[in-house]
Amino acid sequence: AQSVTQLDSHVSVSEGTPVLLRCNYSSSYSPSLFWYVQHPNKGLQLLLKYTSAATLVKGINGFEAEFKKSETSFHLTKPSAHMSDAAEYFCVVSITNSGNTPLVFGKGTRLSVIA
Amino acid sequence: GAVVSQHPSWVICKSGTSVKIECRSLDFQATTMFWYRQFPKQSLMLMATSNEGSKATYEQGVEKDKFLINHASLTLSTLTVTSAHPEDSSFYICSARDTGTSGPRGQFFGPGTRLTVL
Repeated sequence: AQSVTQLDSHVSVSEGTPVLLRCNYSSSYSPSLFWYVQHPNKGLQLLLKYTSAATLVKGINGFEAEFKKSETSFHLTKPSAHMSDAAEYFCVVSITNSGNTPLVFGKGTRLSVIA
Repeated sequence: GAVVSQHPSWVICKSGTSVKIECRSLDFQATTMFWYRQFPKQSLMLMATSNEGSKATYEQGVEKDKFLINHASLTLSTLTVTSAHPEDSSFYICSARDTGTSGPRGQFFGPGTRLTVL
């Protein structure tokens, strides 16, 4: 079965420093992977997605993630954190490649940005 | 494009009443929609898969008689929480699968509905 593990439940960084949110996946095939962000009391916003194209995926707001098959990882990074980046981040995998099955969410990583 | 709306965005109801939540795909057709539930400070958990014109498929542990799902058209799915109780208070999020887009990149999420049962 497909699953994702977010290795940190909470990450705290200073404004202007790099962000690293870790995600490992488990899949029996080449998966489709996503990162979503959720601000407090808000819905989900898609940051970026990997669907078997380029392994380095660039998303919105300066975020990017690299798909590493050998490490079964899909870590999310950003060179310089901004206060507005403080939110909950979810690493997500698709159960199948058909699109007709639901997405499986990791438990989430809460990012705090300190001024 | 690819916008999914939910209505209402928040609702407060008394214990024992029923609440209907709508999920609409505004600019695409969605034969498949998914309903998720999110408790405070937790991740999203899939409740059910809704298919247009057929019965929904519920995840293990989700009461189908309590969470009624209807997907009567290609752009609308509804979730009705029947005889709501305080433990049903949660954030309910739907996603819709764009029929015209292949693969999992064609799923789009609604903004969510916050239900509070007093």
